[in-house]
Amino acid sequence: GNSVTQMEGPVTLSEEAFLTINCTYTATGYPSLFWYVQYPGEGLQLLLKATKADDKGSNKGFEATYRKETTSFHLEKGSVQVSDSAVYFCALRKRPEGGAGSYQLTFGKGTKLSVIP
Amino acid sequence: DSGVTQTPKHLITATGQRVTLRCSPRSGDLSVYWYQQSLDQGLQFLIHYYNGEERAKGNILERFSAQQFPDLHSELNLSSLELGDSALYFCASSVSSGQGVEKLFFGSGTQLSVL
Repeated sequence: GNSVTQMEGPVTLSEEAFLTINCTYTATGYPSLFWYVQYPGEGLQLLLKATKADDKGSNKGFEATYRKETTSFHLEKGSVQVSDSAVYFCALRKRPEGGAGSYQLTFGKGTKLSVIP
Repeated sequence: DSGVTQTPKHLITATGQRVTLRCSPRSGDLSVYWYQQSLDQGLQFLIHYYNGEERAKGNILERFSAQQFPDLHSELNLSSLELGDSALYFCASSVSSGQGVEKLFFGSGTQLSVL
């Protein structure tokens, strides 16, 4: 079945440090890939997405490139801020087997990022 | 604010009891998804409704059920509660039926504690 593996947290960085959160996936075919972010006390919000190989999703200074050859979708940001402290979820979305039913999101377990001033 | 409203925010109950969680989707959204978030299992998809009809089921226990009403709000019913059901339950909504890439909008969740 489909699965997403992302690096264990928590990750603690100083402000302006470089961020990488690794994400790899297992799926047949060509899933769409997403990063969601969950700020304290809130629901998940879509951060960025990529729908095909070599696509780069970007938003708010975050980037991730869909690498089919390594089945990866690593999240990066060049200079983190305290306001980036949150839990980050990698996810994939794929057509259901047999074509029936709706596409479903499969999430990784989340990586908690804390940025200190 | 995502526009998705979940009530209550917190719920404390005892084993064996039954509870109902409520979700109001964003205005105009026809799809409602339910997810369970726990420390050990992470985020697990439970069930998807589109315009009142069930479209997909995930890892939803037989003790759990859901429905979507004509006004498009949805309720998740959890019965014969066990300690292991303690988790954060999210609902999410979207405008489409779940075919293809779409953006989901998540509520803030209901934190269920079973004592």
